[in-house]
Amino acid sequence: EVQLVESGGGLIQPGASLRLSCAASGFTVSSNYMSWVRQAPGKGLEWVSVIYSGGRTYYADSVKGRFTISRDNSKNTLYLQMNSLRAEDTAVYYCARALSRLSFDYWGQGTLVTVSS
Amino acid sequence: SYVLTQPPSVSVAPGQTARITCGGNNIGSKSVHWYQQKPGQAPVLVVYDDSDRPSGIPERFSGSNSGNTATLTISRVEAGDEADFYCQVWDSSSDHVVFGGGTKLTVL
Repeated sequence: EVQLVESGGGLIQPGASLRLSCAASGFTVSSNYMSWVRQAPGKGLEWVSVIYSGGRTYYADSVKGRFTISRDNSKNTLYLQMNSLRAEDTAVYYCARALSRLSFDYWGQGTLVTVSS
Repeated sequence: SYVLTQPPSVSVAPGQTARITCGGNNIGSKSVHWYQQKPGQAPVLVVYDDSDRPSGIPERFSGSNSGNTATLTISRVEAGDEADFYCQVWDSSSDHVVFGGGTKLTVL
């Protein structure tokens, strides 16, 4: 059974850093496209980043240069390193597995990141 | 950047057909995916690649895509279908994923 479990969210001050984790089971992270999608409170879905099976990475303009997506093949885990956090980064962050045309067939339950002083 | 436009809300009576549109420049040339999200839950893929359904999704959910508009059609709407629906594409020119703003489906 495919499962994605995010962790690492919490309350963090503006300008600080945070790393989110997404532990996968039932499939191999490194053989799939994986993505992070976020949702601010009461708002719609916003794509954050993707890592392809070959290792290429892409980012939304709103996070480029501040966030880094990566994976640990030995732990079958996806990460999102978030630096220079801003209030507008406050959201539930979901990790998701993507099919070949970047549809997301499995999602985690999400982890809440709150950026506030 | 590529933009997807959805109506903020659609209302339909039980048993009727709901149609949720997603507009984008020449969207017919892209693969469109649709998600259903209920309050407090993660999104669920209900249609991918314009008109394919993942296993477990009822046949009542169908999709089409042509020209500048993609459409998610929900037949014989049930109270349990009430949710937010999002369309999504991959913009190959920028290697960016794009979501529509979402449509709240209300079952009257």
